[in-house]
Amino acid sequence: GEDVEQSLFLSVREGDSSVINCTYTDSSSTYLYWYKQEPGAGLQLLTYIFSNMDMKQDQRLTVLLNKKDKHLSLRIADTQTGDSAIYFCAASETSYDKVIFGPGTSLSVIP
Amino acid sequence: DGGITQSPKYLFRKEGQNVTLSCEQNLNHDAMYWYRQDPGQGLRLIYYSQIVNDFQKGDIAEGYSVSREKKESFPLTVTSAQKNPTAFYLCASSNRRDPYEQYFGPGTRLTVT
Repeated sequence: GEDVEQSLFLSVREGDSSVINCTYTDSSSTYLYWYKQEPGAGLQLLTYIFSNMDMKQDQRLTVLLNKKDKHLSLRIADTQTGDSAIYFCAASETSYDKVIFGPGTSLSVIP
Repeated sequence: DGGITQSPKYLFRKEGQNVTLSCEQNLNHDAMYWYRQDPGQGLRLIYYSQIVNDFQKGDIAEGYSVSREKKESFPLTVTSAQKNPTAFYLCASSNRRDPYEQYFGPGTRLTVT
């Protein structure tokens, strides 16, 4: 089945760009998602990309998808202390009951 | 405001006791899910339900049970058969159309001693 991998930790300075990487195994994944989890809270969808797209930009967020390498990245421009959280990559086929989440990347922003 | 509520936020139980976690949504979503979150392991699917009166086992259903008698509600019971019940439990819901965004509740932290 689908497996989603991420590095567990990332530390950046305030104002720098953050890049969080993710790899997945199932080439039939149709949607790829980025969720954010603040301490002690549930997850919130940040953005998603459909598999026929290479890039999606939404304000400070840029998602890049390399289907050939099954690699997804999330770039956060001008990272702020409020961006400190755990970021989850997730993948799904064309089905709402088959979303597979990665282990999450804990982003620490140093003032 | 629409959303998902989970209660309580923190729950403490003695080993050997069953405990039920509440999850309610007013988003009119058909599908609901229960996940377990442990540090460094991401989210693991316990049970999900696509429609009222129907539910399916996820990847780690052993020791858990659910019911879906109403569209709005999907309670999870952690039974005494669950070997390591201490965890953070997250409930989510989604509609049944693209892009299948899941909306999450705030979670319940269960501690069993």
